[in-house]
Amino acid sequence: DIVMTQSPLSLPVTPGEPASISCTSNQSLLHTNGFNYLDWYLQRPGQSPQLLIYLGSNRASGVPERFSGSGSGTDFTLKISRVEAEDFGVYYCMQPLQTPWTFGQGTKVGLK
Amino acid sequence: EVKVVESGGDLVKPGRSLRLSCRTSGFMFGDFTMIWFRQAPGKGLEWVGFIRSNANGGSVEYAASVEGRFTISREDSKSLAYLQMNNLKIEDTALYYCSASFASILSLWGQGTPVIVSS
Repeated sequence: DIVMTQSPLSLPVTPGEPASISCTSNQSLLHTNGFNYLDWYLQRPGQSPQLLIYLGSNRASGVPERFSGSGSGTDFTLKISRVEAEDFGVYYCMQPLQTPWTFGQGTKVGLK
Repeated sequence: EVKVVESGGDLVKPGRSLRLSCRTSGFMFGDFTMIWFRQAPGKGLEWVGFIRSNANGGSVEYAASVEGRFTISREDSKSLAYLQMNNLKIEDTALYYCSASFASILSLWGQGTPVIVSS
């Protein structure tokens, strides 16, 4: 199985400041088609997960431009340019490259 | 309006069975891969399995922890997906989410249905 590791696991942030979350995999997520099979989700408290970024760097429909994804192979980063209150919750990376699909442990982003 | 709504969650005893349903509307169900995830209380997300669209072969795949006990199916004419869970174990206790995915680009989630396995 592909193991996904996120850091940090807890990230206190001040609204208006930037934030960054790292996700690494123990196998490359780069498909032969040139796409990195890495997604980012946000789970707000009491809500279901919401897709933010797909294929490593593509914002899902309706996701604000302050969210960006980058990386390739085994190292990926989610960045929020300026955190807003609605961004608080748990962020997960997930690889859909091969089954079993696997998630990182989650990074809890909260108020500093 | 796009909707994904899970139902069927319940409190059951170990060894019993349960069938979850995922009712959808507002999109071309037949074009989507239907995925089940779960989240144990206070824990992270876990992939349970999926069924591909019939256009992509309709194949199913499962997590090792549920292989042989859980079965995912779909009924395209009714825009429904199912998760049949047999021989339930205490460790299957979780909030079960249904998700509809299209080519990795679109991911539609329901609000989840709770399954509690306890004697």
